[in-house]
Amino acid sequence: KTQVEQSPQSLVVRQGENCVLQCNYSVTPDNHLRWFKQDTGKGLVSLTVLVHENDKTSNGRYSATLDKDAKHSTLHITATLLDDTATYICVVGDRGSALGRLHFGAGTQLIVIP
Amino acid sequence: EAAVTQSPRSKVAVTGGKVTLSCHQTNNHDYMYWYRQDTGHGLRLIHYSYVADSTEKGDIPDGYKASRPSQENFSLILELASLSQTAVYFCASSEGHNYAEQFFGPGTRLTVL
Repeated sequence: KTQVEQSPQSLVVRQGENCVLQCNYSVTPDNHLRWFKQDTGKGLVSLTVLVHENDKTSNGRYSATLDKDAKHSTLHITATLLDDTATYICVVGDRGSALGRLHFGAGTQLIVIP
Repeated sequence: EAAVTQSPRSKVAVTGGKVTLSCHQTNNHDYMYWYRQDTGHGLRLIHYSYVADSTEKGDIPDGYKASRPSQENFSLILELASLSQTAVYFCASSEGHNYAEQFFGPGTRLTVL
């Protein structure tokens, strides 16, 4: 059963616009949530990590929130650039396993057009 | 610069053949992981290792073996490749587990015909 759901599956925005990506999860007990960026044909690169209830983080034009009660996170990208075209993956860490197993979402494919 | 590299970057194999995917990290990390990524699905853990000469099963180990001959190197072995093993394979390393960030290689695209 998929424990991390991302929406939308894909999204097209014009350069300069803002966008919001959603992540809902059912992992229990949850430890942390991390957002990754995956350029086409490349590996995953961490954007930000959220750990505590109601955490908010900011990394340049990327900002993220976490609501642990609702098991929901959002990734905001402001003033999008063409280089933001990528797949954004939400990953939730499982506090209940000795390894700290990670649960990966399928990703949101963002396409930024001129 | 610390990095995780994988070889080959792409490979075409025949059903029933043996395939070895290699991973090398210069992060000086203890933990290394092998994942597969299928279109429309999240990454899934195949094998991992936290020390040289030892490997552990992940969530989907069937049909795969792993080898960790040194801290820097971690291989994934498909003894008898099957069509269902066509996927993109990612190697990652981390200093520890839980909160520790995993650093990913660029991936290997494997096609089994």
